[in-house]
Amino acid sequence: DAGITQSPRHKVTETGTPVTLRCHQTENHRYMYWYRQDPGHGLRLIHYSYGVKDTDKGEVSDGYSVSRSKTEDFLLTLESATSSQTSVYFCAISPGASGTQYFGPGTRLLVL
Amino acid sequence: QQQVKQSPQSLIVQKGGISIINCAYENTAFDYFPWYQQFPGKGPALLIAIRPDVSEKKEGRFTISFNKSAKQFSLHIMDSQPGDSATYFCAASIRSGAGSYQLTFGKGTKLSVIP
Repeated sequence: DAGITQSPRHKVTETGTPVTLRCHQTENHRYMYWYRQDPGHGLRLIHYSYGVKDTDKGEVSDGYSVSRSKTEDFLLTLESATSSQTSVYFCAISPGASGTQYFGPGTRLLVL
Repeated sequence: QQQVKQSPQSLIVQKGGISIINCAYENTAFDYFPWYQQFPGKGPALLIAIRPDVSEKKEGRFTISFNKSAKQFSLHIMDSQPGDSATYFCAASIRSGAGSYQLTFGKGTKLSVIP
């Protein structure tokens, strides 16, 4: 998984609870991405980062926020989790020289 | 238009046969077209990729065919094996802010290779 770890790997939480997912890379890549994967929708971009403290929104950013205080860590926060945010979340990294992105192992989130 | 349309949704192929998955796009600003392979419980893994100035790229049993005028590209898996059974995603990349690239994915094709 190209030097990418995600934590936790599985999480069950209740509606209205804040949740933070962590992506950690050892590749020193500049660009990091958060996607969600749902049946019938493929992978959809939530937020991405192009450097420390530099982030931008993706296609499905409502209800999510991100932070990147170090090159190696990119955090995804659900401020108040809803059942519609039940999904598998993938982090990806890219050196930025092309469109190539490398994906982490994913976090399976269930919001009850 | 950022959409990438992928077909079929599912595909069953006999061992030794050819698996073909097709994708189409609208936005001519896309400039990089990767394919990802995903096994259950794992993250997508880059399989093979092509740029629009090339009509075909082959890596082992995997070939991408690219038709720029038709805005279509396809993945061919020759001599398909049961170990190729996975979900395959096509994607298209476009340069966005601050030098980053954004990938737009197709919805995936579940390939089953039967003995």
